[in-house]
Amino acid sequence: GAVVSQHPSRVICKSGTSVKIECRSLDFQATTMFWYRQFPKQSLMLMATSNEGSKATYEQGVEKDKFLINHASLTLSTLTVTSAHPEDSSFYICSAVPGYQGGYTFGSGTRLTVV
Amino acid sequence: KQEVTQIPAALSVPEGENLVLNCSFTDSAIYNLQWFRQDPGKGLTSLLLIQSSQREQTSGRLNASLDKSSGRSTLYIAASQPGDSATYLCAVYNAGNMLTFGGGTRLMVKP
Repeated sequence: GAVVSQHPSRVICKSGTSVKIECRSLDFQATTMFWYRQFPKQSLMLMATSNEGSKATYEQGVEKDKFLINHASLTLSTLTVTSAHPEDSSFYICSAVPGYQGGYTFGSGTRLTVV
Repeated sequence: KQEVTQIPAALSVPEGENLVLNCSFTDSAIYNLQWFRQDPGKGLTSLLLIQSSQREQTSGRLNASLDKSSGRSTLYIAASQPGDSATYLCAVYNAGNMLTFGGGTRLMVKP
């Protein structure tokens, strides 16, 4: 079945530094990938839609200069949290839709802790 | 704007019970509905995908139904096991592949 690989699974960084999270579709091409954020005991909230070869579309309230998204190839999207602060600590998950399957496939998530 | 609600928010049952998780949505113009399982600190695992033209899907001990007109879906788990303990998320697709999640049901199956 379709697999989305996300790395790293866990990262701890100092306040003010930047962190890059990678999302790869392993056995299919994804012109569109989605980035979600999840706070403890809450559901997933869509942050942005990543489009291969063009600018990402951000949801209302999500700072595009804070959360930089690059979708440079059909199998890779990256989310960079710039100048991270403790309030950015969260669980970030990416997903894509393999066209033949019709359903979303999710990565395993990245636990970001900013200290 | 699509809103998805899941009831109950939490559920604790003894092993072996059959149980039903509920999902309701406000905008019936959906393309698909998908049920996921999430273990603590992990990503989402797809359980069942129901196309908008379908009424139900089955996989092993799981059965999901969809009633678009009433804006409801149920996930039925037969003969629950401790390994079924997880959070179950319902998500609906609208136009543009927009996926809206419910708040989830945290299930605990006690041995």
